[in-house]
Amino acid sequence: QKEVEQDPGPLSVPEGAIVSLNCTYSNSAFQYFMWYRQYSRKGPELLMYTYSSGNKEDGRFTAQVDKSSKYISLFIRDSQPSDSATYLCAMNRDDKIIFGKGTRLHILP
Amino acid sequence: ETGVTQSPTHLIKTRGQQVTLRCSSQSGHNTVSWYQQALGQGPQFIFQYYREEENGRGNFPPRFSGLQFPNYSSELNVNALELDDSALYLCASSSRGLRGETQYFGPGTRLLVL
Repeated sequence: QKEVEQDPGPLSVPEGAIVSLNCTYSNSAFQYFMWYRQYSRKGPELLMYTYSSGNKEDGRFTAQVDKSSKYISLFIRDSQPSDSATYLCAMNRDDKIIFGKGTRLHILP
Repeated sequence: ETGVTQSPTHLIKTRGQQVTLRCSSQSGHNTVSWYQQALGQGPQFIFQYYREEENGRGNFPPRFSGLQFPNYSSELNVNALELDDSALYLCASSSRGLRGETQYFGPGTRLLVL
């Protein structure tokens, strides 16, 4: 079993819809939980991070962590075509960061 | 833009050759991490350098090595290149080690091994 599981998609949704992206993990030792956005031919850009269970909101983005279920989510409200990218979940354990495979998201105008 | 730069942007090598990739960290950052991202995969941690010392390593063979310089820029060296080394190589700089909230990625170097 991989430490971090993420559905690679692609996920296509119409503009304005709410997007839900998810990851599961197996290692209880993970301390920090992050979401990165990666546009084609670019490096990942940090969107959200959290270190506790619950929700964290930043503009149109909400990160949710459920440590008891080992499940994290990223919600995007009022999705825009510019949100089309690959979204990577990532988790910190001791001395390294483990990334999911990434989910390719397409927002249809 | 994050202020992290990498060179070159693209590189083509043949199997068995050696390659050196370079990274300049964001101003004020003293830690550089290197990642390998194969097509359709998430980045995989190679190693991290903190104040010129290796500070954590992922599951990569010794032919992957690195350096960090006094100005905190860094190099990734790969010897005896294999076809599977073809990937996007990313560096990320930070000021507090591996706390994710401060890791800023460069645009990457795309390496193709033929």
